[in-house]
Parts: sequence; C-alpha cells; structure tokens
Amino acid sequence: AQSVAQPEDQVNVAEGNPLTVKCTYSVSGNPYLFWYVQYPNRGLQFLLKYITGDNLVKGSYGFEAEFNKSQTSFHLKKPSALVSDSALYFCAVRDETGRRALTFGSGTRLQVQP
Amino acid sequence: SAVISQKPSRDICQRGTSLTIQCQVDSQVTMMFWYRQQPGQSLTLIATANQGSEATYESGFVIDKFPISRPNLTFSTLTVSNMSPEDSSIYLCSVGLAGGSEQYFGPGTRLTVT
Repeated sequence: AQSVAQPEDQVNVAEGNPLTVKCTYSVSGNPYLFWYVQYPNRGLQFLLKYITGDNLVKGSYGFEAEFNKSQTSFHLKKPSALVSDSALYFCAVRDETGRRALTFGSGTRLQVQP
Repeated sequence: SAVISQKPSRDICQRGTSLTIQCQVDSQVTMMFWYRQQPGQSLTLIATANQGSEATYESGFVIDKFPISRPNLTFSTLTVSNMSPEDSSIYLCSVGLAGGSEQYFGPGTRLTVT
C-alpha cells in the first residue's frame, strides 16, 4: 500500500524568507509525486509533479520541489514567500502502474506573515 | 488542463435524505474519481467512476451508500444516500487526462447534514 506523510500541521514563515513544506512517501516501485494547494472555499490546484528525470522540478507560482529517492522525500520549496502563498498544501503519490488514483498526505497549512 | 464544474456548490440537508452531486468536464476524459474531504482532514478516495461499467469502490465505501453514475466521458454523478451528520464533508470530483499523470479537481461540493 502507498502512503504519504506530512509531518508538520503548520509552517510559519515571514514574507520574503524561503519556505519548505516537508513530504515523505512510501510506494511500491517508482513513485509519481505531486503537490497541490487548496485556498479557502476552493478546490485543489495542481502545483507540480515529479515523474522521472531531474530531481528538482519547477511548478506554478514560483514553487519547486526536490525529489530525494534515498530519503523517500519530496519537499516543496520556494525561495521567497509571499503572503498570498498562505494556504493548505497537500502532497500526493501514486505508483507508476495500474490505478491512477492518488493517495494524499494530511496536509500542511502554510502561514506567511507580513 | 481541464475545466471541471460541480453542482451544487453547497447544500444543507436533513438526516435520512439523499443528495446527488454532478460533475461536468469540458472535454472527454478517461479517468474520473470522487474524493471526500472531511472537516479539517485530507482527501480520501471514494471510488473511480468507470464509463459503461460499475464504479470501483475503495475500502470502507459501498455502492448502496454512494451510488455513482458515469453515462459518458464528460459527466458523472455521486449520490450520498440516507445521509447522517457524519457525511458532512466536501465532495470533490477529479479527472485524469490521457497522456498525463496529474489529476485536476473540481471546486467541490460542501455538504452539511443536520
């Protein structure tokens, strides 16, 4: 069975500072990894994905994520946080075969203070 | 990407009644999924909506409680039957596009059962 862990319920960061939201995963075979963001009263928006290739992937709104196979991690990063980045962030995984349904982490609330 | 709409966006329902949620996509898609997001929690997959055959349900979800229809490649419905307050959640549909790995989500239906 596949699983995702987001160890931090909330991350607080000052505007302009770098941010990291942590994610570790467990899956059979090669992972497909995703980050989604959820703003209040809105659905999930796709940010970025890792399928294969370069371990550093870039996505929407200046976000990037680093895939680390040995540590089974896929941390979300941004060099300079904005107040508007404050939202709920979900990491998700699926395996490379068969079912395309996603398994989500518990979510991390990012608060960026002005 | 895909444009996904859901109806209704929210509803307040009485215990024991049923609600049918509609999901419409602006293009033909192979894969459609229904997720539930209980208050303050992550997303849990209810079922995969298969076109032309019965939906595939995840452990803990049954067809009698969550019947799903998928009459064509752009539309699906999820019914929440015989509702109880524990069914109060956000229900989201998502789609996977051919040749793509990520999923795109609708805006969700916020259901409150009193």
